[in-house]
Amino acid sequence: GEDVEQSLFLSVREGDSSVINCTYTDSSSTYLYWYKQEPGAGLQLLTYIFSNMDMKQDQRLTVLLNKKDKHLSLRIADTQTGDSAIYFCAESIYQTGANNLFFGTGTRLTVIP
Amino acid sequence: KAGVTQTPRYLIKTRGQQVTLSCSPISGHRSVSWYQQTPGQGLQFLFEYFSETQRNKGNFPGRFSGRQFSNSRSEMNVSTLELGDSALYLCASNLGDHSQGGYTFGSGTRLTVV
Repeated sequence: GEDVEQSLFLSVREGDSSVINCTYTDSSSTYLYWYKQEPGAGLQLLTYIFSNMDMKQDQRLTVLLNKKDKHLSLRIADTQTGDSAIYFCAESIYQTGANNLFFGTGTRLTVIP
Repeated sequence: KAGVTQTPRYLIKTRGQQVTLSCSPISGHRSVSWYQQTPGQGLQFLFEYFSETQRNKGNFPGRFSGRQFSNSRSEMNVSTLELGDSALYLCASNLGDHSQGGYTFGSGTRLTVV
């Protein structure tokens, strides 16, 4: 199946680190993605990780992948008020000739000044 | 380069009508996918087109259809609109091969059915 689960809400203080977690069920995932959605906007690709990697760092963002536990996390260092948004993890699964994305429910991150 | 362009941004339609939404992918991207986003169901995959062919379809009724043109632009059509079709419709483009550069999304079309 393609169940992707996330907690719904996370609040952090400005300057702290945020950690958003995601679990998925399909072990045939090829890539795993993190997207950010601000109010009234589409999805912005933040970062992605290939399924044979266990970590990827990109400036303030660190992605950790535990393939055995099917657990993905996104750490945002020095969280700013502009990071307040909904964060979606997604897995890419190859089906019938195409890679398709399956999304989690999204985690609403609120950054408290 | 230009991003993914969706038109129109907003639409209000009446139950029973039909609607057509448009998506222009990033230049060079041959795959276009469509998603429906609602507060209750989250992001759900509608279908994906590559080289004018539908490669994959999600679990939506036949009232939802799409097509892709030779320039990779895509349209989706919803016939006999229902109140529950009110949603943000997002399209995403991708190179379409097995390499993964991520899927780039448009800003979406917000459809309200009254």
